[in-house]
Amino acid sequence: DAKTTQPNSMESNEEEPVHLPCNHSTISGTDYIHWYRQLPSQGPEYVIHGLTSNVNNRMASLAIAEDRKSSTLILHRATLRDAAVYYCIKGSNYKLTFGKGTLLTVNP
Amino acid sequence: NAGVTQTPKFQVLKTGQSMTLQCAQDMNHNSMYWYRQDPGMGLRLIYYSASEGTTDKGEVPNGYNVSRLNKREFSLRLESAAPSQTSVYFCASNFYSNQPQHFGDGTRLSIL
Repeated sequence: DAKTTQPNSMESNEEEPVHLPCNHSTISGTDYIHWYRQLPSQGPEYVIHGLTSNVNNRMASLAIAEDRKSSTLILHRATLRDAAVYYCIKGSNYKLTFGKGTLLTVNP
Repeated sequence: NAGVTQTPKFQVLKTGQSMTLQCAQDMNHNSMYWYRQDPGMGLRLIYYSASEGTTDKGEVPNGYNVSRLNKREFSLRLESAAPSQTSVYFCASNFYSNQPQHFGDGTRLSIL
């Protein structure tokens, strides 16, 4: 079962929007798309998740392609505290499959 | 606001020793999980417990056993530690499948 594909790293400037892409071409109909982030020496932190429709919460927005083979996590205004590894995960029935994630660097 | 508590935070073992990692959550979650994270890698699921009284294998269960002691506690046991099990171990919990998982701060385990 192929994991998701993300860029190894991305860079952004503080207070600018960030669009983190993810490909999940082998996604099944029951797989949710989850995003977590991890700061150094900490456990992962939930960001957002969705199945078919775009989703918004206080942290971010999730845009899911119509064919569900890709998605984009949108941080509307990056802050220095958003610097972390972001994991795009497809999962269902209790099992999340983590890849290596995208290391986001935020420049002041 | 304890959330998910893991003990110990750090441990060094010798090859062949046994050890139990403890995890407790105070959010009344039904499901609990154990993951391992090797350097530069994402997390891999070892075992999970969908509800009290049940446990199931994840992606990398070999060399580990688990016990769901009650709704709050889920322990991970290494019966005979091997250097390949050197890793950071994370426990997580959620209400049920596909809901956000809450993670502990991890146990850093080194096996010499």
